Amino acid sequence: AQSVTQLDSQVPVFEEAPVELRCNYSSSVSVYLFWYVQYPNQGLQLLLKYLSGSTLVKGINGFEAEFNKSQTSFHLRKPSVHISDTAEYFCAVSPTGGGNKLTFGTGTQLKVEL
Amino acid sequence: DTAVSQTPKYLVTQMGNDKSIKCEQNLGHDTMYWYKQDSKKFLKIMFSYNNKELIINETVPNRFSPKSPDKAHLNLHINSLELGDSAVYFCASSPDNTYNEQFFGPGTRLTVL
Repeated sequence: AQSVTQLDSQVPVFEEAPVELRCNYSSSVSVYLFWYVQYPNQGLQLLLKYLSGSTLVKGINGFEAEFNKSQTSFHLRKPSVHISDTAEYFCAVSPTGGGNKLTFGTGTQLKVEL
Repeated sequence: DTAVSQTPKYLVTQMGNDKSIKCEQNLGHDTMYWYKQDSKKFLKIMFSYNNKELIINETVPNRFSPKSPDKAHLNLHINSLELGDSAVYFCASSPDNTYNEQFFGPGTRLTVL
């Protein structure tokens, strides 16, 4: 079984400041890792994913994440946020063995202020 | 040109009623999913179908019954609605059940009074 922890339920940040959203996971098997974004009243959209290879993954809208196997973390970062980045961000994992069952964290609300 | 669509977008109903939510994808995908997002925004998978065959069935009350008439459609029927069923229900699809990205619909907000 897998579990995902997003310790920060809300992260307020000023526009053009950097941001890091934290994600830690627990799993007895190898997993793929994902970050999804949910804009208000919309469905989820994939930001980026880690499958294998380089531990630094770049996604859409200037976001990147780094997989750290020893710390079982997959933190999301952006060097300079914009008002339009205000949204809910979800970290998720799925077993590499197939089945594509996504287990989500509880989400982090990123609020970008002027 | 919506990839994954759901109807209705909002559904308000009384306790004890039976209701259905429909999902359609025009991506040519083989696998479809239903997720429930509760009031605290926690997302949990309910069901998954691959080529019209049920492959994931989480611990969900029997009152919830998914139906897949063809690969492009996955509907969710809920009997005897309860207050605790109030949530946002998301449909998603992926090319197959090994592919690692899922494409989500806009959600259906169900309110049970």
